[in-house]
Amino acid sequence: DIQMTQSPSSLSASVGDRVTITCRASQGISNSVAWFQQKPGKAPKSLIYAASSLQSGVTSNFSGSGSGTDFTLTINSLQPEDAATYYCQQYTTFPLTFGGGTKVEIK
Amino acid sequence: EVHLVESGGGLVQPGGSLRLSCAASGFSLSDHYMDWVRQAPGKGLEWVGRTRNKANSYTTEYAASVKGRFTISRDDSKNSMYLQMKSLKTEDTAVYFCVRNVVDQYYMDVWGKGTTVTVSS
Repeated sequence: DIQMTQSPSSLSASVGDRVTITCRASQGISNSVAWFQQKPGKAPKSLIYAASSLQSGVTSNFSGSGSGTDFTLTINSLQPEDAATYYCQQYTTFPLTFGGGTKVEIK
Repeated sequence: EVHLVESGGGLVQPGGSLRLSCAASGFSLSDHYMDWVRQAPGKGLEWVGRTRNKANSYTTEYAASVKGRFTISRDDSKNSMYLQMKSLKTEDTAVYFCVRNVVDQYYMDVWGKGTTVTVSS
């Protein structure tokens, strides 16, 4: 199975800060990575696919990059509504696997 | 508007069975691959399984943790997907989400709100 390792597991940042979350795959997966946002008690929301493409309706305050084994999700200017847990996921090989999550808190 | 609504969750004893349903609205299920993803209390997301579309013979894939116990099916005429769960274990306790994949692609886009399954004696 492909392991997706996210870091950090949690972070605290101020409104307006640039926040970067990283995800490392245990083997090369081209650009077959998606990112999801989940708020407490809610279903995940799809943010990014193909490592860097925004899902429809997602603000350009979010961006993604990477290829091969290393990927990043960036929140360009952290907003209060961005407080959530973020997950990466690879969809190149079964079983599909998710990272362990990064909890983003607002200072 | 596109919606996925899961139902059928509840409390079941270990070794028991349960059938979850996912009703789609606002789009035709028939064109899409569909997934089940679950989340145990306080834990991360775990992919459970996938059903491909009619063009791909409705073939399925499963996580090792559920293979042989869970079965995904669909009824495109009812715009619905199902998850039949048997031989349930306490570790199957989770919120189960129904998820749509983009047509002719392999990534998820739309999630349901989930239904809760509790396996306990």
